[in-house]
Amino acid sequence: EDQVTQSPEALRLQEGESSSLNCSYTVSGLRGLFWYRQDPGKGPEFLFTLYSAGEEKEKERLKATLTKKESFLHITAPKPEDSATYLCAVYAGGSQGNLIFGKGTKLSVKP
Amino acid sequence: DAGVTQSPTHLIKTRGQQVTLRCSPKSGHDTVSWYQQALGQGPQFIFQYYEEEERQRGNFPDRFSGHQFPNYSSELNVNALLLGDSALYLCASSLRPFGGQVLEQYFGPGTRLTVT
Repeated sequence: EDQVTQSPEALRLQEGESSSLNCSYTVSGLRGLFWYRQDPGKGPEFLFTLYSAGEEKEKERLKATLTKKESFLHITAPKPEDSATYLCAVYAGGSQGNLIFGKGTKLSVKP
Repeated sequence: DAGVTQSPTHLIKTRGQQVTLRCSPKSGHDTVSWYQQALGQGPQFIFQYYEEEERQRGNFPDRFSGHQFPNYSSELNVNALLLGDSALYLCASSLRPFGGQVLEQYFGPGTRLTVT
């Protein structure tokens, strides 16, 4: 069965302390991996799409990378406004339908 | 450029009642997907519409149904509400997959449904 596992569940950082979030996936035929940011009580905000192993995308303090089994979201010198839940999703296009999401990593950045 | 909009923002219903949620996609998008997000969980796929037909469906009972209109907007209907249907309901819009490539989905703010 296709599935997505994110770790850690929660991460507390000091402002400026760089770290990485992990997204491991098991799918039959990956057709796309997506990262989203979600603030409490709001809809997910699109960040990145990755299609093939070795691909990397960057946006401000965030960088997403992809291998054949997992993706990392690297956060460099985070600020308090980066605090949010980060969701990873894969599209396998199989019988399970559309995007399959992990449970997310809740990131807190303290000043 | 207006993003994805959803209405209402919040809704409180009683068990056994029926509810209709509405969604307008981002300008230029023709595909609408609906997701259910329970507290502390990732969104779960309900179904997807384009060309006014249900194209894919997740593991949800027939109590969940939908519709897409010619202007690409969409409705999600839930009949015989259960306490377990309390969740944030998210609508996402995109262009349909083409050439084997799947494009990103853009989410609306969601509708918070509480069933008492």
